[in-house]
Amino acid sequence: ETGVTQTPRHLVMGMTNKKSLKCEQHLGHNAMYWYKQSAKKPLELMFVYSLEERVENNSVPSRFSPECPNSSHLFLHLHTLQPEDSALYLCASSPNNRHSNEKLFFGSGTQLSVL
Amino acid sequence: QKEVEQNSGPLSVPEGAIASLNCTYSDRVSQSFFWYRQYSGKSPELIMSIYSNGDKEDGRFTAQLNKASQYVSLLIRDSQPSDSATYLCAVHNDYKLSFGAGTTVTVRA
Repeated sequence: ETGVTQTPRHLVMGMTNKKSLKCEQHLGHNAMYWYKQSAKKPLELMFVYSLEERVENNSVPSRFSPECPNSSHLFLHLHTLQPEDSALYLCASSPNNRHSNEKLFFGSGTQLSVL
Repeated sequence: QKEVEQNSGPLSVPEGAIASLNCTYSDRVSQSFFWYRQYSGKSPELIMSIYSNGDKEDGRFTAQLNKASQYVSLLIRDSQPSDSATYLCAVHNDYKLSFGAGTTVTVRA
């Protein structure tokens, strides 16, 4: 599809669970992103990695922990989440990093439900 | 003040009509502007980008930018049922891309 693959597509977890979201891009891009999408709200940027270095952390609670082992893979580790964290989590990649026009390529997202 | 504002809709238009979507942004130094389309249950996909004042046409889509007034719009001509989706306005400044909440468009046959 878009060259950005996310797994799992759906995830239901309890507040005491630990889970991880995975994202892989096959486009040779330099930057990768995690966004949170809640109903009727703008996409919220959570984390940005440029060449495997984190360049943005938008005051995200520590119960969300990103990991970028290389430029093709991005993880979001989840632990002790709250019900208000239920949302669609989107991974995206882009060809360039800072000071460039950004055109994002999104994965299909992980629909997360926290019980 | 929200960085990027859009009317949430829904915007209902008959098939064949023009759908007009508006977006305003707060940061005057924003340089690049995008429209993404998101079908229900799917991820956003880029459909238009515009960087300078004026109009940019691509098929049935026309993006319009007015930096002095800080607004960007999207026109969809000859609207089709397949255009029914949520349209997200995005504004880029430095390395940050800010999104509006989206306008839902429904094209009725």
